[in-house]
Amino acid sequence: DIQLTQSPSSLSASVGDRVTITCRASQTINTYLNWYRQKPGKAPKVLIYSASSLQSGVPSRFSGSGSGTYFILTISGLQPDDFGTYYCHQTYGPPYSFGQGTELEIK
Amino acid sequence: QVQLVQSGSELKKPGASVKISCKASGYTFTTYGINWVRQVPGQGLEWIGSINTNTRNPTYAQGFKGRFVFSLDTSVSTAYLQISSLKAADTALYFCAREFADRVSGSIRYWFDPWGQGTLVTVSS
Repeated sequence: DIQLTQSPSSLSASVGDRVTITCRASQTINTYLNWYRQKPGKAPKVLIYSASSLQSGVPSRFSGSGSGTYFILTISGLQPDDFGTYYCHQTYGPPYSFGQGTELEIK
Repeated sequence: QVQLVQSGSELKKPGASVKISCKASGYTFTTYGINWVRQVPGQGLEWIGSINTNTRNPTYAQGFKGRFVFSLDTSVSTAYLQISSLKAADTALYFCAREFADRVSGSIRYWFDPWGQGTLVTVSS
């Protein structure tokens, strides 16, 4: 089974900062990698699919890159509403799997 | 609009069973698969498995084979997750999610969109 490891597990950043979250896969997954954000008490919502494609309606400050085993989610110009937990997710499987999550706090 | 609406919270005793529903609207139900995801309070997302809404073929993650069963009622665009022999460790928020598929860079890619609002299952004596 494919394991996804996110880094960092948590971070605190200020409005306007550039934030990067990484996701490493235990084996190559091409670009079958998606990113979601989950806010407390809510369901996750997709931000990026297929490693770098921006989901419709998601602000352009979100971007994704990577392929193979290493992926990056970047938020350029952090906004107050960007708090939450971010998850990477691979659909190279099944079985599908998620990273352990990165909790983002706005200072 | 496309949405998945799940059934309400459940409180069950150990050993009992529970059946959660996930009703789809806004699209043709049999076009996309339905996935189920578990989230233990305070923890991350765990993929339970998926069901092909066209062939009814289920796929279960290794740790969820046996007590977890997916089913469908396509006449009402609804997917179900039944969990039997409930344990305290099954206490969690259970999400359904549509497995959206589209062609990206020449191949079919999959992602989960939208998700249901989640159903909290509490197992306690």
